[in-house]
Amino acid sequence: EAQVTQNPRYLITVTGKKLTVTCSQNMNHEYMSWYRQDPGLGLRQIYYSMNVEVTDKGDVPEGYKVSRKEKRNFPLILESPSPNQTSLYFCASSPWTGHQETQYFGPGTRLLVL
Amino acid sequence: KQEVTQIPAALSVPEGENLVLNCSFTDSAIYNLQWFRQDPGKGLTSLLLIQSSQREQTSGRLNASLDKSSGRSTLYIAASQPGDSATYLCAVKYTGNQFYFGTGTSLTVIP
Repeated sequence: EAQVTQNPRYLITVTGKKLTVTCSQNMNHEYMSWYRQDPGLGLRQIYYSMNVEVTDKGDVPEGYKVSRKEKRNFPLILESPSPNQTSLYFCASSPWTGHQETQYFGPGTRLLVL
Repeated sequence: KQEVTQIPAALSVPEGENLVLNCSFTDSAIYNLQWFRQDPGKGLTSLLLIQSSQREQTSGRLNASLDKSSGRSTLYIAASQPGDSATYLCAVKYTGNQFYFGTGTSLTVIP
């Protein structure tokens, strides 16, 4: 089944404790992206990647890191989480081939930073 | 900064009614616009994608239109059903590689 998977789905952590949220897609998509969703603010793009070893900042990259060593994986790293990073996080992928730019989303990761 | 607005934030209609959801964007130089559905506790599901050269797209009971000059898109849902209850989001892509989302319209269809 074609899908985007994220792990973990739920995470409670404390301020300053490094964490990684994994994202993997099995559709051979070039484009991958991370978003956070907050009430009243909608989805905001954190980072995106056009292909392996190519990453760019979105609108809200502060406090986050990403890497794209393999085409299928795009982990999101919080080196020193803070309470304002409590949010619902989504990973998405897209084939990025001309008009076929529909994004496919993972189920989300709900993060609480205490 | 690109702004995408969706009004109303919430909408409640009786089953069977036709309805229109609105999406406005500040910069008319868009590349494409996509409508998504989000169910509680789940990810987003793509409904329709409209390229900048298109005026509308249809899928079943859904019809999305695009008017770049006025900075607006509408999602028309015909003969609404309780299963249509969800949050609907629009996302705009410009010639760069970023996407800009609206805050969504929460739709409730009452049986």
